[in-house]
Amino acid sequence: NAGVTQTPKFRVLKTGQSMTLLCAQDMNHEYMYWYRQDPGMGLRLIHYSVGEGTTAKGEVPDGYNVSRLKKQNFLLGLESAAPSQTSVYFCASSDRDTRTNEKLFFGSGTQLSVL
Amino acid sequence: AQSVTQPDIHITVSEGASLELRCNYSYGATPYLFWYVQSPGQGLQLLLKYFSGDTLVQGIKGFEAEFKRSQSSFNLRKPSVHWSDAAEYFCAVAPYNNNDMRFGAGTRLTVKP
Repeated sequence: NAGVTQTPKFRVLKTGQSMTLLCAQDMNHEYMYWYRQDPGMGLRLIHYSVGEGTTAKGEVPDGYNVSRLKKQNFLLGLESAAPSQTSVYFCASSDRDTRTNEKLFFGSGTQLSVL
Repeated sequence: AQSVTQPDIHITVSEGASLELRCNYSYGATPYLFWYVQSPGQGLQLLLKYFSGDTLVQGIKGFEAEFKRSQSSFNLRKPSVHWSDAAEYFCAVAPYNNNDMRFGAGTRLTVKP
């Protein structure tokens, strides 16, 4: 079982470039999440989705867009990358509401540097 | 505003010693509470969670946590630390009415031989 897979694992961008991070899960989970992790800040929720075709803003959504066209995929887009978006990005999924679910499954992360 | 605080950025303990990692939260109502562990270069793994009921919860790898409503705390404990427990630990909370899970800044645990 692959679980939650993030691609790419590493990426370096120049300021103003765009890119898309892909998250794929093979567990038929309804809920998917994108977090960013910065030193001393812990994990902060960017956007999340409670089902195919739905998305919602989290704690730090500015500068990011997301799409959930297929249940198994959750894409995170940066339209015009900024150095402040240098971070490690984690995707996660769960099969039910996180508040009552047993587990939140995490991918292994994407290290993004914006120069 | 809702927040999660882990007061200790870095803790060092000797192998075999006991461990307590602190977590305090600020929410309008009692949220759902979680502890996760992250090994270097890895995603997060759930250690344990509290939703309701018994305030002392048992988790994997010999960890336990106690919810204290009066102190708004959910501290993680382990009686005897193993070298493999060296990692970063995150406390997280989720409100009862939405999916906006918030994480603390993390506590890095170093285990001395």
